[in-house]
Amino acid sequence: GAVVSQHPSRVICKSGTSVKIECRSLDFQATTMFWYRQFPKQSLMLMATSNEGSKATYEQGVEKDKFLINHASLTLSTLTVTSAHPEDSSFYICSARDKSGVYGYTFGSGTRLTVV
Amino acid sequence: AQSVAQPEDQVNVAEGNPLTVKCTYSVSGNPYLFWYVQYPNRGLQFLLKYITGDNLVKGSYGFEAEFNKSQTSFHLKKPSALVSDSALYFCAVIGIRVDKLIFGAGTRLAVHP
Repeated sequence: GAVVSQHPSRVICKSGTSVKIECRSLDFQATTMFWYRQFPKQSLMLMATSNEGSKATYEQGVEKDKFLINHASLTLSTLTVTSAHPEDSSFYICSARDKSGVYGYTFGSGTRLTVV
Repeated sequence: AQSVAQPEDQVNVAEGNPLTVKCTYSVSGNPYLFWYVQYPNRGLQFLLKYITGDNLVKGSYGFEAEFNKSQTSFHLKKPSALVSDSALYFCAVIGIRVDKLIFGAGTRLAVHP
């Protein structure tokens, strides 16, 4: 079945630095990628949607300049948290969908970001 | 606007007993409905989905869900719960013109030996 690989699974960084999270579709072409953020014991909050080769569409309240999303190929999307602050600490999850129209959403295993 | 409600924060069940995790939705047009399970510090695993067809959908690990249009519900069920079913369960919906999955708040299922 469809597999999405997300790396790293855990990362600790210092305040002010940037962190990049990668999401790869291993056996299908991900025409659309979704990036979610999950706070402890809460649901998933959609941050942005990206289509291959075009700019990401951000949800209301999500800072575009802080959360940079790149979807340069059909198998790779990246989320870069720039100038990280402790309040950016969270669990980030990507999801990929192909264009087959079957509405299959495959999720990565998530990245636990801790900013110290 | 589309939305999903999971009215129970937590459901407690004894092992071997049937379980139900509730979900109701609000969407314009025909809904596409999903159930996912999440284990600690992990991503979401797909359980089942309803697109069209039979109202009773069978999914992974013995789970099933019943689509009820009149009650706008899509409750998750399993005839006999296992301790290993203990996890966080999310119901999600997309509308026919929108491709974004909207999640409910999640329900924590605790199955006791």
